[in-house]
Amino acid sequence: GDSVTQMEGPVTLSEEAFLTINCTYTATGYPSLFWYVQYPGEGLQLLLKATKADDKGSNKGFEATYRKETTSFHLEKGSVQVSDSAVYFCARNYGGSQGNLIFGKGTKLSVKP
Amino acid sequence: NAGVTQTPKFQVLKTGQSMTLQCAQDMNHNSMYWYRQDPGMGLRLIYYSASEGTTDKGEVPNGYNVSRLNKREFSLRLESAAPSQTSVYFCASSEFGGRGTDTQYFGPGTRLTVL
Repeated sequence: GDSVTQMEGPVTLSEEAFLTINCTYTATGYPSLFWYVQYPGEGLQLLLKATKADDKGSNKGFEATYRKETTSFHLEKGSVQVSDSAVYFCARNYGGSQGNLIFGKGTKLSVKP
Repeated sequence: NAGVTQTPKFQVLKTGQSMTLQCAQDMNHNSMYWYRQDPGMGLRLIYYSASEGTTDKGEVPNGYNVSRLNKREFSLRLESAAPSQTSVYFCASSEFGGRGTDTQYFGPGTRLTVL
C-alpha cells in the first residue's frame, strides 16, 4: 500500500550545522507532500508543503523539493538553531483530491549549542 | 482563535472502562480527523469526518467509535479500554477533506494510559 519512509533518528547536530532529513514516498497517484513539525509537548504543525512535481516548499529557512523521478521530498536547512529541536514528520496524501494523510514515523532532531 | 482544542490533556483508565475524548475547532473547517501516535509508529488515522454528518474508518478503527456532533465538534469514544490503546491521541481539522492540498491543523493531544 501507499507509504512514506523517512530516515530514522535521532539526529543530533551542533548549532549552525547543515540539516538533511531524507523522505521517500510510494509513487501511486499524484500526491501532495508535506513536512510537519512537532515541538516538545505540542501537536503537529505544518512546516511546508508541495503539491506537484518540481515544486519547492519553504518556511523558516527549511526547504524541500518534490522530486517525482526519485519519489523523494528531503528536508534541508542550511544552519540549524537550538530552537529547531523537534520531531519532523514527512507525509503524503492518498492522492488526487483525497485529503487523508499518510505519515512517516518521524525523525527526532536535537540541536546542541 | 483557539484553533483545535482537546479535552482532557491526560487520562488514566483501567482495562474495560469507557471514556470519550472531546475535540472542537473554531476555524469553520469541514473535515476533522482522529489520530493516535505511538513510539516509532508515526501517526495513524483512526477515523475521519469529511463533512458534518459523515464519518469513515481510517487505518486503525477497531475499538473506537466517533461522533460528529456538529460542524465544530468531533468526539472519539473508547467503549472498553484495553492496554493496547495506551497512546497519545490527536485531533485535527482541515478546510476541505476532499482537497488533497489542504493543511491539517492539530490539537495539543490527549495522553491516555490504560492499566
